[in-house]
Amino acid sequence: EVQLVESGGGLVKPGSSLKLSCVASGFTFSSYGMHWIRQAPKKGLEWIALIYYDSSNKYYADSVKGRFTISRDNSKNTLYLEMNSLRSEDTAMYYCAKGWVLGVMDAWGQGASVTVSS
Amino acid sequence: DIVLTQSPVLAVSLGQRATISCRASQSVSISSINLMHWYQQKPGQQPKLLIYRASNLASGIPARFSGSGSGTDFTLTIDPVQADDIAAYYCQQSRESNTFGAGTKLELK
Repeated sequence: EVQLVESGGGLVKPGSSLKLSCVASGFTFSSYGMHWIRQAPKKGLEWIALIYYDSSNKYYADSVKGRFTISRDNSKNTLYLEMNSLRSEDTAMYYCAKGWVLGVMDAWGQGASVTVSS
Repeated sequence: DIVLTQSPVLAVSLGQRATISCRASQSVSISSINLMHWYQQKPGQQPKLLIYRASNLASGIPARFSGSGSGTDFTLTIDPVQADDIAAYYCQQSRESNTFGAGTKLELK
């Protein structure tokens, strides 16, 4: 069974940094691209980043480009999202998702909550 | 950016058919491949893949769910609607980067 477990969320002040982790199990992590998607309170889903299976390519939404960095450690089956210069509008539940062919996200974690507030 | 438009709310009676639409601002199809996917999200839960590439049922999803469409217009159909289907439904395109629709909340009439 595929499992994705996010951690590292919390309450932080504007301008600060935070690093989320997503530990994967139940599949060959090193063979699949991985996504981060966020959902602001009472809002819809926003895709924010993708990393290829071998870290050869990384893509970001314009809203986080230059502030957030996606990375992975295939030896630890772990996906990361480093978030810098956090703003109040980054407040959201952050989900990691397993990528499948042609952009399908076929498994999702339970999410990590990030609140940016002074 | 490709914008996906969904109606915010759809009210339906149990046992009836629900038709949820998603319209893209430009085609999300490449040749015969429709890069449109559907997800279900129940309150307090993470999203779950229902339909991929417009019409393919994801593993473990009941056959009362189906998808159709091509180009810019896509539909998710639930027939018949059961109480467990009350949730928000999101379309997602992967033709250019990735974007989601704003979601359709399925409510009981």
